[in-house]
Amino acid sequence: KAGVTQTPRYLIKTRGQQVTLSCSPISGHRSVSWYQQTPGQGLQFLFEYFSETQRNKGNFPGRFSGRQFSNSRSEMNVSTLELGDSALYLCASRGGRGNNEQFFGPGTRLTVL
Amino acid sequence: GIQVEQSPPDLILQEGANSTLRCNFSDSVNNLQWFHQNPWGQLINLFYIPSGTKQNGRLSATTVATERYSLLYISSSQTTDSGVYFCAVEGTYKYIFGTGTRLKVLA
Repeated sequence: KAGVTQTPRYLIKTRGQQVTLSCSPISGHRSVSWYQQTPGQGLQFLFEYFSETQRNKGNFPGRFSGRQFSNSRSEMNVSTLELGDSALYLCASRGGRGNNEQFFGPGTRLTVL
Repeated sequence: GIQVEQSPPDLILQEGANSTLRCNFSDSVNNLQWFHQNPWGQLINLFYIPSGTKQNGRLSATTVATERYSLLYISSSQTTDSGVYFCAVEGTYKYIFGTGTRLKVLA
């Protein structure tokens, strides 16, 4: 069974631009979560989707948004990029109903110049 | 919200040594996982252990949910064990991560 995949793996953007990251969960998994990892703040939860519905959201500004499609694939979008958005963005999937072990993708490393 | 603390923050071992990493959490949790983050950033699942004890080769873990802590044991450490070890506990539809233990194993 294929693991969680994320695209792109690396991305360089400039301040003010927007970016869209994609995550494909493990086949059969219906829950997708997103995390931001920075040296200063560690691993922080962004949001979690289950069956196309956002179930929880972390403490991030409205510039960070996400969605999930009917095939469970998820995207997250960051608008009006700031230097502080430079980070490793990690996506995780899990089964959802009673199966709560998370499996992570390789991440997308975003650099904002 | 739930707070997760890991100790020690840094650990340097000689190859072959044993170590214990600790994870304390501030409230009752439904689930707990241990991860190893490799130098490329990939989080690798070690244990899914809401309670009890599990073993996988040289690694084992114990979670005492009633006392709100979990321990990860690494025996006969190897240089490939180097990296950052994270504990994560489940809150409401999200996992909360500790700040990690950075382990360096010297040959």
